Amino acid sequence: EVQLVESGGGLVQPGRSLRLSCAASGFIFDDYAMHWVRQAPGKGLEWVSGISWNSGSIDYADSVKGRFTISRDNAKNSLYLQMNSLRAEDTALYYCAKGRSYRAYFDYWGQGTLVTVSS
Amino acid sequence: EIVLTQSPATLSLSPGERATLSCRASQSVSRYLAWYQQKPGQPPRLLIYDASNRATGIPARFSGSGSGTDFTLTISSLDPEDFAVYYCQQRSNWPPGFGQGTKVEIK
Repeated sequence: EVQLVESGGGLVQPGRSLRLSCAASGFIFDDYAMHWVRQAPGKGLEWVSGISWNSGSIDYADSVKGRFTISRDNAKNSLYLQMNSLRAEDTALYYCAKGRSYRAYFDYWGQGTLVTVSS
Repeated sequence: EIVLTQSPATLSLSPGERATLSCRASQSVSRYLAWYQQKPGQPPRLLIYDASNRATGIPARFSGSGSGTDFTLTISSLDPEDFAVYYCQQRSNWPPGFGQGTKVEIK
């Protein structure tokens, strides 16, 4: 059974940093691309960033480019999102999602970790 | 950037009725479109990919159709567990985008 478990969310002040983690199990992690998708409270879905199986391809949404960094550790079956210079508009539930392939759809999702940016 | 517009925003139906949801793209996405279902407090679940292929474990009452700019998700007979928000997503032009969602509510 595929499982994705996010952690690292919390309340943070504007301008500060936070690092999210996603622990994966139930599939061959280093065979698949992984992504972060967020959802602001009561709003729709926004793709944030994606990374290919070998970290050779990485993409970011314009809204986070230059502030967020995605990475993965295939030995630990883990995905990360380093978020710097956080803004109020980054407040959202952040989902880790497995990609069917790199630039494709998201076939499994974690339960999400909530990031709240507020002073 | 491709914009996806879903209609209607809300669909009020009774269990057993047929639901027809629309997703229109601002430019052609070929057949590179998916549908997701999201229930309150849960993550999205992939229902349909490449316009008409059901994902693993998805019941046959869910079907997708369309190509180019116009797509439809059909639920042939609404089960009580189908009342949720539905999103479309395109992968034709990266980065991917989602529609704003259609809420299917109990009438």
